[in-house]
Amino acid sequence: GAVVSQHPSRVICKSGTSVKIECRSLDFQATTMFWYRQFPKQSLMLMATSNEGSKATYEQGVEKDKFLINHASLTLSTLTVTSAHPEDSSFYICSASAGLPDTQYFGPGTRLTVL
Amino acid sequence: GESVGLHLPTLSVQEGDNSIINCAYSNSASDYFIWYKQESGKGPQFIIDIRSNMDKRQGQRVTVLLNKTVKHLSLQIAATQPGDSAVYFCAEKTYNTDKLIFGTGTRLQVFP
Repeated sequence: GAVVSQHPSRVICKSGTSVKIECRSLDFQATTMFWYRQFPKQSLMLMATSNEGSKATYEQGVEKDKFLINHASLTLSTLTVTSAHPEDSSFYICSASAGLPDTQYFGPGTRLTVL
Repeated sequence: GESVGLHLPTLSVQEGDNSIINCAYSNSASDYFIWYKQESGKGPQFIIDIRSNMDKRQGQRVTVLLNKTVKHLSLQIAATQPGDSAVYFCAEKTYNTDKLIFGTGTRLQVFP
């Protein structure tokens, strides 16, 4: 149990376009979903926390107008990178939790490359 | 918190040996700790967790030790196998939040 999927696994886009990444909890209801960013050889950096039906809470330094997060249901959250630029190229990972004290279950990640 | 280093610490072990990966955590109020394994190009995979009211917990081939006095966490892997090669992260959280704070990570390389 506790499987989290992400789609797509890889995406290549041109600079200036927007990219949407989906995160789904397949066998449980996720009251909270998290979005992380990971650069090569670095740790995971939390970007934002989203609860179903409410606005996401962004970490300091993360532009909420650039990284749009929607958590419309208990099994789906989306991250849209708007007007992507090469510096947005990274590995984006989501995780889902059924709520405290439950742990987070991670998706397989999405590799974004902006040309 | 966020890692700023570009070079992960690396632990190289021979297949069959035991591995010990260490982690210093930052928040004395943290009461829940998790070890994750991340293979190249994949998301983190849960290995084992421990709460602050314990100092040791064992799983299959893995043991986590917690020393709250010096804010230190370790992961011991018995009889290390080539499939254990990955980057290992510790993560911490406090009881009143569901946010995880990740450590910088350690790369484990297993040689035959």
